[in-house]
Amino acid sequence: DVKVTQSSRYLVKRTGEKVFLECVQDMDHENMFWYRQDPGLGLRLIYFSYDVKMKEKGDIPEGYSVSREKKERFSLILESASTNQTSMYLCASSLTGMGGYTFGSGTRLTVV
Amino acid sequence: GQNIDQPTEMTATEGAIVQINCTYQTSGFNGLFWYQQHAGEAPTFLSYNVLDGLEEKGRFSSFLSRSKGYSYLLLKELQMKDSASYLCAVHSSGGYNKLIFGAGTRLAVHP
Repeated sequence: DVKVTQSSRYLVKRTGEKVFLECVQDMDHENMFWYRQDPGLGLRLIYFSYDVKMKEKGDIPEGYSVSREKKERFSLILESASTNQTSMYLCASSLTGMGGYTFGSGTRLTVV
Repeated sequence: GQNIDQPTEMTATEGAIVQINCTYQTSGFNGLFWYQQHAGEAPTFLSYNVLDGLEEKGRFSSFLSRSKGYSYLLLKELQMKDSASYLCAVHSSGGYNKLIFGAGTRLAVHP
């Protein structure tokens, strides 16, 4: 069964901490994405990657960075966590040229 | 700008039929997706339309009109387990397969 795995379901971090969210896929997909999901706003794209070491900004990249050192792993980094980054974070992957995303189960991050 | 609109909430009765509408304005169009998301879970793929018309898959059907920038998801013989959020997403032009999502429609099915 194909999978996208996010390392944590729930995280609580303090303001100012550096936070790492990890995502691993086992489908050999080229594309990987990080979204955040907030009530009434839907899924908003933070960053995506179309190849190892390649990254592109999405719609709301401020306060975030990403790393893709291996094809199967895409990490989201909150450089200095703030309370307005409290959200559900969803990782997804897809093949190039084919639309369907496979999503991870999400990480609910609370910044206090 | 790019915009995808869908109703925020809908309610329906078990066994009935419900239609969830989605309108979009995007800089390009390469296909439209519907996803289902139960509370606290990841979205799961329901349907994909790239050409005009109706795609049927069991109890679920999805319709697309590209000239009108309009799609709907039709759910028949509603079951309690269909209570979930339904996300409309458009693959706009450009590479890398980016999807633009609507805010989602929360459907409550009651007995």
